[in-house]
Amino acid sequence: QKEVEQNSGPLSVPEGAIASLNCTYSDRVSQSFFWYRQYSGKSPELIMSIYSNGDKEDGRFTAQLNKASQYVSLLIRDSQPSDSATYLCAVNNAGNMLTFGGGTRLMVKP
Amino acid sequence: GAVVSQHPSRVICKSGTSVKIECRSLDFQATTMFWYRQFPKKSLMLMATSNEGSKATYEQGVEKDKFLINHASLTLSTLTVTSAHPEDSSFYICSASTVSGNTIYFGEGSWLTVV
Repeated sequence: QKEVEQNSGPLSVPEGAIASLNCTYSDRVSQSFFWYRQYSGKSPELIMSIYSNGDKEDGRFTAQLNKASQYVSLLIRDSQPSDSATYLCAVNNAGNMLTFGGGTRLMVKP
Repeated sequence: GAVVSQHPSRVICKSGTSVKIECRSLDFQATTMFWYRQFPKKSLMLMATSNEGSKATYEQGVEKDKFLINHASLTLSTLTVTSAHPEDSSFYICSASTVSGNTIYFGEGSWLTVV
């Protein structure tokens, strides 16, 4: 069974701090990795995608991928209350099918 | 960027009736679309994979005769919940894959309430 694991949280950080979200996956042949943000009652919104080992930065967001250790993480710098949401890690294994983690709920406190 | 539109965003139907949800890729062709269901405070659960011009592939435990999926064109897939029951009340979300398959975009989701 292909699995994607995330800590459900909630992860609570103060405003302005760095939020670190982690995700592990079980399928070693996974090639594409995604972070989605989902506000309550809304559809997931693509935040970052990463395909190769290392870091990928986009504004306040940095995705990190380590295929040897089978983990992918998302760092949010200068966290804002508006970043409070559930963050879903997704792995694309084959046939464009995404396997989602259970999501980590992030709370940024003013 | 690519946009996936889902309609209706909210629908209330009576128990025993059927309701159709549409998913459209607005500025790209989507050979594959996916339908998910999400219960409150739970993660997304894949229901089925819809390929243009062929029958949908359903995940284990999803009744294909109850959740009818049609993917008649490269920009439109529909999910019909037949003989709806209150336990079918949920948030239904579609997603579409670009032809390259590198990125998957989600529709806005449809809240279904069966009364």
